[in-house]
Parts: sequence; structure tokens; C-alpha cells
Amino acid sequence: DIQMTQSPSSLSASVGDRVTITCRASQSISSYLNWYQQEPGKAPKLLIYAASSLQSGVPSRFSGSLSGTDFTLTISSLQSEDFATYFCQQSYTIPYTFGQGTKLEI
Amino acid sequence: QVHLQESGPGLVKPSETLSLTCIVSGGATTTSNWWTWLRQAPVTGLEWIGEVHHSGTTIYNPSLESRLIMSVDNSKNQFSLKVTSVTAADTAVYYCARGSRDGYNRNWFDSWGQGTLVIVSS
Repeated sequence: DIQMTQSPSSLSASVGDRVTITCRASQSISSYLNWYQQEPGKAPKLLIYAASSLQSGVPSRFSGSLSGTDFTLTISSLQSEDFATYFCQQSYTIPYTFGQGTKLEI
Repeated sequence: QVHLQESGPGLVKPSETLSLTCIVSGGATTTSNWWTWLRQAPVTGLEWIGEVHHSGTTIYNPSLESRLIMSVDNSKNQFSLKVTSVTAADTAVYYCARGSRDGYNRNWFDSWGQGTLVIVSS
């Protein structure tokens, strides 16, 4: 199975901050990478698909990129509703696998 | 807006079969897309269980494949999951989701149900 490793596992930030979360796969997955946001007690919500495409309805402060073997989720200016847990997920090969999550806290 | 809703027992005895159904509404139909099951437990995190195509074709997580049965009922706009011979390790919040794909066969889960907690215990 492809292992997805996110860093950091947790992150403290403030409203207005620029935040970056990184995800690395244990092997090359091209652009087969998605990002999700999960609030406590709720289902994950798709933010970014295919590494850099913004899901319809998601604010433009969210962006995704690929640099070498590292995938990055960037929130350009944190809003209060962004404090949640973020997951990456690869769809390159079966079984699709997720990162362990990054908890974004105030 | 696409809406998915899981239903099924919240408590299953060890060695028995876990059965869940996901009803699709809000303008989406099971006659397109892939329809997916995932689960989330505190220790193991988010886990992809498998998916079923509107044609009935299934793709399963190899680690669970021997215990899985997925099906779709296009006439009722719903799809189902069965996990046989459950143990405490199958205790989790189970989610159904819609899978979408592009021309490069990259896929993602763009609509999710709210999730349902299933506890395996005697």
C-alpha cells in the first residue's frame, strides 16, 4: 500500500495567518492527490482534487500544489471556520489511502 | 445539492454481518459515477473500503475483500455494503460517498454522507 505522510501532525495558527500543510507519498503518485477538511463530528469535505484543482464552492484562499514529491495545501489567510483537521488522499492505486491528518488549532 | 444518507444497525455482534445502505438524493442518481464506502476509527484513521459502479462492478480494498459485498440498486437510487464475520476491529464511523473521475482516471470523493457509527460488541 502507498503510505501518505502529512506534516505537521498539528499546527497552531491565528486568524489571518498563511498556513502550509505538506503531504508526501511513499512512491510516485503523479497528480493523483486530493485534500479534505474535516470538522469535529462531521464528514470530510473535498477541498482540492487532482493536486491543484479547487472543488466547486470552496473559497479561493485554499490552494494545492505539487513540488517534486511533496504536495502542499496552502490557506492564504486563515478564517475562524478553517480550524479543522485536514487529510490528503492518494487515488493512484488501490487501495486508496489517506494521510494521518493535520489538526489546525488556534 | 447531492445528499447521501447512511442507514443500518449501530450495534453488531462479533462474527455477524454488518449491513449498511446509502440512499442518494438531491438530483444525483446511482446510474452514473462510482459509489464508495469508507470508514474512520480513532486508531486506524480514514480507510477506503471499496466502491461499486452503477453497472454493478466492484473494486474492494484487498485487506477486506474476502469479507465484503457491495451492490447498487439503481431503481431505488441506493447502494449497500455488507461486511461479514465482523470483529471489534470493524468498529468505526462508516461513510458513503460519491466518487468522481476525470479523463486521466484520477478520482476523488466529492459528496459524503454524514456517517454512521457502527460498534461491534456482544
